[in-house]
Amino acid sequence: SYEMTQPPSVSVSPGQTASITCSGNKLGDKYVCWYQQKPGQSPVLLLYQDNKRPSGIPERFSGSNSGNTATLTISGTQAMDEADYFCQAWDRSTVVFGGGTKLTVL
Amino acid sequence: QVQLQESGPGLVKPSETLSLTCTVSGVSISSYYWSWIRQPPGKGLEWIGYIYYNGGTNYNPSLKSRVTISLDTSKNQFSLKLSSVTAADTAVYYCARRGPRGEEFDYWGQGTLVTVSS
Repeated sequence: SYEMTQPPSVSVSPGQTASITCSGNKLGDKYVCWYQQKPGQSPVLLLYQDNKRPSGIPERFSGSNSGNTATLTISGTQAMDEADYFCQAWDRSTVVFGGGTKLTVL
Repeated sequence: QVQLQESGPGLVKPSETLSLTCTVSGVSISSYYWSWIRQPPGKGLEWIGYIYYNGGTNYNPSLKSRVTISLDTSKNQFSLKLSSVTAADTAVYYCARRGPRGEEFDYWGQGTLVTVSS
């Protein structure tokens, strides 16, 4: 079965840029979505089709996907961005999630 | 405004069947794909399966033998049944809509915790 790997944790200082990666075999051939989940809340769609933001998502969230790695970039990270982040893609009509990355803003 | 709300028992005994319902408002269930996704406490997300308005389904291969997702268009609801549950099935269960581009889940329910314990 297809697997996507994320680093368990990433730390960033307020105002700096955070990068969260998601790796999988030929992931660049698939569309990747990203979700943000804060404690006790449901996941929220941040990006779809690698780099498109739904209405209401701040411009500081951006994405890229090439080769075997997709990257979520948060520019000018704010304290409110502290959360878990999950990547998601489709493989042969089934959905695959990455294991998630806890972003700490300190 | 699209809203999804899960409902069902919060406690299920081992070997029994977990049953949940997702009530959709703000959009007709007779369009889009509708999914169940779960998250064990402190862990990541696991896709369970989806159903289309015509009743077509697709399930996670790891759960396929135990999962049934069904639709009730008259009530604008869809449901999950997971049989022969064990403690490993303890999780927050979310219902979600697969969005119009086909890859994303754009609306999620608030989630409901189901604990498997005797």
